[in-house]
Amino acid sequence: EPEVTQTPSHQVTQMGQEVILRCVPISNHLYFYWYRQILGQKVEFLVSFYNNEISEKSEIFDDQFSVERPDGSNFTLKIRSTKLEDSAMYFCASSSSGRANNEQFFGPGTRLTVL
Amino acid sequence: GENVEQHPSTLSVQEGDSAVIKCTYSDSASNYFPWYKQELGKRPQLIIDIRSNVGEKKDQRIAVTLNKTAKHFSLHITETQPEDSAVYFCAASKANNNDMRFGAGTRLTVKP
Repeated sequence: EPEVTQTPSHQVTQMGQEVILRCVPISNHLYFYWYRQILGQKVEFLVSFYNNEISEKSEIFDDQFSVERPDGSNFTLKIRSTKLEDSAMYFCASSSSGRANNEQFFGPGTRLTVL
Repeated sequence: GENVEQHPSTLSVQEGDSAVIKCTYSDSASNYFPWYKQELGKRPQLIIDIRSNVGEKKDQRIAVTLNKTAKHFSLHITETQPEDSAVYFCAASKANNNDMRFGAGTRLTVKP
C-alpha cells in the first residue's frame, strides 16, 4: 500500500538556522498538507497546498514558513529562522481529492529539535 | 474559526469494556469528522470518519455517532483490547476548506 514518506526522521538545528523538511506524498494525490504536533499536544494544521499554491493556512503559518513543490514528487516545508518554540513533530499528509472530507494520509513525521 | 473540544483527556478501561470519547465543534458548517489513532511515536492513522449526512457509522468494534443539532460527535469502542491503547484524536473540517482542526486527544489505556 502506498505511503507518505518524510525525511529526515529527526532534525536538530541551532536557533536562527533555516531548516527544510521534506515529504513525498502518495503519487496520485493532488492535495498536500503540513501539520505540527508539539510534544504531548494536539495535531495543529499549518497549511494546505494544491495546484502549486497555498489553498489555506493557519495563524501559525507566518512569514517564517514557506512551502514548495520543487518537482513532481517532493513537497517541502521551510522554516527560515528557527525558534525554540518551533521544536515539534512535523507531519506531512496528502489526499486524492480537493474535497475536505477526503481521507488524509499522514507521513511518519519529522521530529525537529531547535537548540 | 473552528474549535474542537475533546473529552476526556485520559481514559482507562478494563479489557473487554467499552470506551467512549466525545467531541464538540463550534462551526455549524463543518461536515466531515474523522477519528485518528496515534500510537506512541507513530503517525496518526484514520480509523473511522463520518459525514454530516449520516448520524451513525459502524466498523466492527468501532462506531461513531454525530448529533448535528448539538454539534457533537462521539467515538465508541466495544470489547476493548490492549492493542486499542493509544491516543485518539477527533477532527472537523468543512466542504471546500482543507483546514482540518483537531481535538486535544484522549489517551486510552486498556488494562489486561
